[in-house]
Amino acid sequence: QKEVEQNSGPLSVPEGAIASLNCTYSDRGSQSFFWYRQYSGKSPELIMFIYSNGDKEDGRFTAQLNKASQYVSLLIRDSQPSDSATYLCAVNRGAQKLVFGQGTRLTINP
Amino acid sequence: DTAVSQTPKYLVTQMGNDKSIKCEQNLGHDTMYWYKQDSKKFLKIMFSYNNKELIINETVPNRFSPKSPDKAHLNLHINSLELGDSAVYFCASSQDGRLQYFGPGTRLLVL
Repeated sequence: QKEVEQNSGPLSVPEGAIASLNCTYSDRGSQSFFWYRQYSGKSPELIMFIYSNGDKEDGRFTAQLNKASQYVSLLIRDSQPSDSATYLCAVNRGAQKLVFGQGTRLTINP
Repeated sequence: DTAVSQTPKYLVTQMGNDKSIKCEQNLGHDTMYWYKQDSKKFLKIMFSYNNKELIINETVPNRFSPKSPDKAHLNLHINSLELGDSAVYFCASSQDGRLQYFGPGTRLLVL
């Protein structure tokens, strides 16, 4: 079992709809969770982080964490074509280490 | 001002050569990292330095040697390059070990 799992996609969503990206992790001791966005040919960009159970909202983005189910998700409201990218879920393991999922490729269709 | 910068952006070289990649951050962070992203886009940590001290050394061939002359710089030297070393190498930095910020990447192609 991989430490961090994501559906690789591609996930196709119409413009204006809600995109929902999911991630599960195996280490129950994980405390910190991150979402990175990576455009093709570019570097990963940190867009959301969440440390506590529940929802965290930032603009059109909402991160959701459920530690009991070992599940973290990212919702993108009012999806725009510029949101088309690969989204990487990352989980903190130990004091300094991030473990990444394989990423979900998201396409927003105009 | 670029927060985390890497040189070179592209590196094309022959098998068996030795090459170096340099990274610099101007964020004042204490911790720097090297990650490798393979052709399937899987991003995996290789090394981490905290204030010039090596703290993470994943299962990486010893042909790879990181060096941190000061806490703002982290270099990666690769000896005897192999075809399988072809990948994108990202440098990152962090103040708290959790929020990590990535450089633009170095695309290495070994022929």
